[in-house]
Amino acid sequence: AQSVTQLDSQVPVFEEAPVELRCNYSSSVSVYLFWYVQYPNQGLQLLLKYLSGSTLVKGINGFEAEFNKSQTSFHLRKPSVHISDTAEYFCAVSRNSNYQLIWGAGTKLIIKP
Amino acid sequence: DTAVSQTPKYLVTQMGNDKSIKCEQNLGHDTMYWYKQDSKKFLKIMFSYNNKELIINETVPNRFSPKSPDKAHLNLHINSLELGDSAVYFCASSPGGAGETQYFGPGTRLLVL
Repeated sequence: AQSVTQLDSQVPVFEEAPVELRCNYSSSVSVYLFWYVQYPNQGLQLLLKYLSGSTLVKGINGFEAEFNKSQTSFHLRKPSVHISDTAEYFCAVSRNSNYQLIWGAGTKLIIKP
Repeated sequence: DTAVSQTPKYLVTQMGNDKSIKCEQNLGHDTMYWYKQDSKKFLKIMFSYNNKELIINETVPNRFSPKSPDKAHLNLHINSLELGDSAVYFCASSPGGAGETQYFGPGTRLLVL
């Protein structure tokens, strides 16, 4: 069975500092990988996704993620965060034969001024 | 124009009552979903419909019943509400293929007293 682990429930970081949010998955088959963001009191929206091709994926708002098949990871990074990045970030995975998403527990990004 | 809309946005009700949440999408998508997000932000898939046909029916109490009158609408009816049903319920839609992005509504915040 597939599972997704987001290693940190909260990540505090100073404004303009870089950040990495970690995501590991377990699956014996090929997968698609997603990062979604949920701003306070809103629904989720897609940040970026990996389907195939280049392992470095660029998304909205300056975020990027790298697919590492050998480490079964899909970590999210941003070189310089802003107060507006305060949100909950969710990693998700689906088998490439199935559109049901398996979700991680979420990581709360806290930006310190 | 809102892509995925839900009504109501807030719902406060007493235990034992029956309530419905409505969802509509104007994206022309074939697949719609209901998710439950608990107080710890954990997301749980409840149901999914593809072209009005139920395709995902996770382990939820049978007090929850989805209804899809057409491809653009997916409603959620809850009978005999319990305290543990308090959560945020999200509707989402997607074109339906593997790897497709899911588009979320703003959520319905249900509080059962």
